[in-house]
Amino acid sequence: DGGITQSPKYLFRKEGQNVTLSCEQNLNHDAMYWYRQDPGQGLRLIYYSQIVNDFQKGDIAEGYSVSREKKESFPLTVTSAQKNPTAFYLCASSINRLAGKETQYFGPGTRLLVL
Amino acid sequence: DAKTTQPTSMDCAEGRAANLPCNHSTISGNEYVYWYRQIHSQGPQYIIHGLKNNETNEMASLIITEDRKSSTLILPHATLRDTAVYYCIVSNRGGGADGLTFGKGTHLIIQP
Repeated sequence: DGGITQSPKYLFRKEGQNVTLSCEQNLNHDAMYWYRQDPGQGLRLIYYSQIVNDFQKGDIAEGYSVSREKKESFPLTVTSAQKNPTAFYLCASSINRLAGKETQYFGPGTRLLVL
Repeated sequence: DAKTTQPTSMDCAEGRAANLPCNHSTISGNEYVYWYRQIHSQGPQYIIHGLKNNETNEMASLIITEDRKSSTLILPHATLRDTAVYYCIVSNRGGGADGLTFGKGTHLIIQP
């Protein structure tokens, strides 16, 4: 099946620990995104990548890092610098063509909890 | 991107049409209106988008006013599975090429 997969579904982090969230897509999409969602809130953009080996900061990039070495993969690392990492993390992808022509497809999400 | 205003929550009876309003009075000429929905604890799902003309697909219809300052998403025959948070988003950023801004949306509850 084509789609976006995220793993793990639940992730526990200890104070001061870095953790990496996986996002893989087999849709042949150029662009990929990471969002964070807090309870009862909308989604906020962390990082996005429009092409391999290139990525841009979103609205809340502090305390996070990403890489885009392959078109299919866009892992997100939550570093110890992120003081309030407990949230629902969503990965998305899109074909990245003309304005208004594309839509984003989302993965099932990873719920990160700090112990 | 223009800001959108949506009601916090709405109820609709199963089998009836669900009409979800969205105000975007500061929308500019090159901004599209997108609708996504998010079922509890899942990733958002794209529903429909439009620029000026009304749009329809297998999931819903999108009615955009002539001045483009507001729009309505219509689910023609709502089912219990349509219970979700519905997000109205206005963006000209490459259709999402550099990310979309999601507000709090409308929590639509379909009543049996």
